Amino acid sequence: GQQLNQSPQSMFIQEGEDVSMNCTSSSIFNTWLWYKQDPGEGPVLLIALYKAGELTSNGRLTAQFGITRKDSFLNISASIPSDVGIYFCAGPSGDYKLSFGAGTTVTVRA
Amino acid sequence: SQTIHQWPATLVQPVGSPLSLECTVEGTSNPNLYWYRQAAGRGLQLLFYSVGIGQISSEVPQNLSASRPQDRQFILSSKKLLLSDSGFYLCAWSAWGLPYEQYFGPGTRLTVT
Repeated sequence: GQQLNQSPQSMFIQEGEDVSMNCTSSSIFNTWLWYKQDPGEGPVLLIALYKAGELTSNGRLTAQFGITRKDSFLNISASIPSDVGIYFCAGPSGDYKLSFGAGTTVTVRA
Repeated sequence: SQTIHQWPATLVQPVGSPLSLECTVEGTSNPNLYWYRQAAGRGLQLLFYSVGIGQISSEVPQNLSASRPQDRQFILSSKKLLLSDSGFYLCAWSAWGLPYEQYFGPGTRLTVT
């Protein structure tokens, strides 16, 4: 299946900061998705992107579908403590199936 | 609105015992259904998916099986659990026309001892 590489693997946030993470693919995607998972819970779909260059927001979250169609970016503006968790990118891996990245773990800086 | 349920929430089972995890979806018809496993601190591994009643596609050879006896019911089973079957099992659904927008259930934490 497709290889998805998320960067960074982990990050620390301070309340009020803007943070960014990205995801790259070994092949071209027609769809990019971003999920957030809180400890002990199932992932929650944040944003779905369907068009190269598309920029879509969901509250303080903004995701972009890269022009090359091999990457996507997620930005969180004005971080708050409840933004901690694991963020996954995902893209199609054949009909009906998704491949997921390994995740970016976001933690609050003490 | 659509809701997805999984049970049990947690399960501790001895090696060699059988397993049955259930997932049901409400508020939609003819969903695509998925079983994923997530090892501690790891990503999501697709185990099975189904695009209709009685239709199951297996992604990873293992001692697990899946069944879809009703349109909105998806069951994950094993005849004999292995230690390596421990993990967080997630069921997900997507709409018939939007297969990639997958919505996950709350998960089942399985510990095999």
